[in-house]
Amino acid sequence: DAGITQSPRHKVTETGTPVTLRCHQTENHRYMYWYRQDPGHGLRLIHYSYGVKDTDKGEVSDGYSVSRSKTEDFLLTLESATSSQTSVYFCAISGLAGDSEQFFGPGTRLTVL
Amino acid sequence: QQQVKQSPQSLIVQKGGISIINCAYENTAFDYFPWYQQFPGKGPALLIAIRPDVSEKKEGRFTISFNKSAKQFSLHIMDSQPGDSATYFCAALLSSGSARQLTFGSGTQLTVLP
Repeated sequence: DAGITQSPRHKVTETGTPVTLRCHQTENHRYMYWYRQDPGHGLRLIHYSYGVKDTDKGEVSDGYSVSRSKTEDFLLTLESATSSQTSVYFCAISGLAGDSEQFFGPGTRLTVL
Repeated sequence: QQQVKQSPQSLIVQKGGISIINCAYENTAFDYFPWYQQFPGKGPALLIAIRPDVSEKKEGRFTISFNKSAKQFSLHIMDSQPGDSATYFCAALLSSGSARQLTFGSGTQLTVLP
C-alpha cells in the first residue's frame, strides 16, 4: 500500500458524534487526498493537501474538514456525523515520481448509525 | 455532474478472452488518464495510465487506447485470467497550479470464468 496506513480501519459511530480519520505516510509525498467510495459512484474526492497547512476542497467536501500539520499526517474530520457519511474512506498520496500518480491506502470503513 | 462515464457496469469474459472497458470524458482540460484495479476489501491499485498526447500504451497484457477527438479511452485486457477478476475504474486528472483533482468513473466489475 505504498507506505500508507489508515486508522482506524473500521469504525461504528452514532449520528451527531464527531469522527476523525487519520492517514499516515512514510515516504514524504507532497500531496495527500481523502476520497469516499460508495456503490455506483466510484471514488469521489473530498479534500486534498498540497503541503503542510495547504488544503483544498474536492467534489464532495460538505460536512468534512481536514488538517495537515505534518508532512506525514492528513486528518479527515466529520464534525457531526450523519448516516449519509456511511462509506469507505480512502487516503491517497502522490508527488515523489511525478505528482500525477496517486497511490491508495487500505481504507477505513465507517458506519454511522 | 458526472464528468467521466464508464461502461459496462459489469463484464463476464471467458479465460483467454479479451476484456474491454470504455470511458468517456467531458472536460478537455484533463491531462492524465489512469486505470485502477480494486480487489474486495482493498484499496485501488494503479494499473496503467496515459497522457492525452499518446494514442496507445501497452504494459504486458494491459493496453490503453486513447481517442482525444472523441474524448474516449478504453482498457483492453488480453488473455484474461481468473486472477484479473476485480473492479476496474477509469479516472481523469485535472492539474492546474497546485490543484490536483482526480475524477473517477463508476467502475466495472469484471469476472473471468475459468
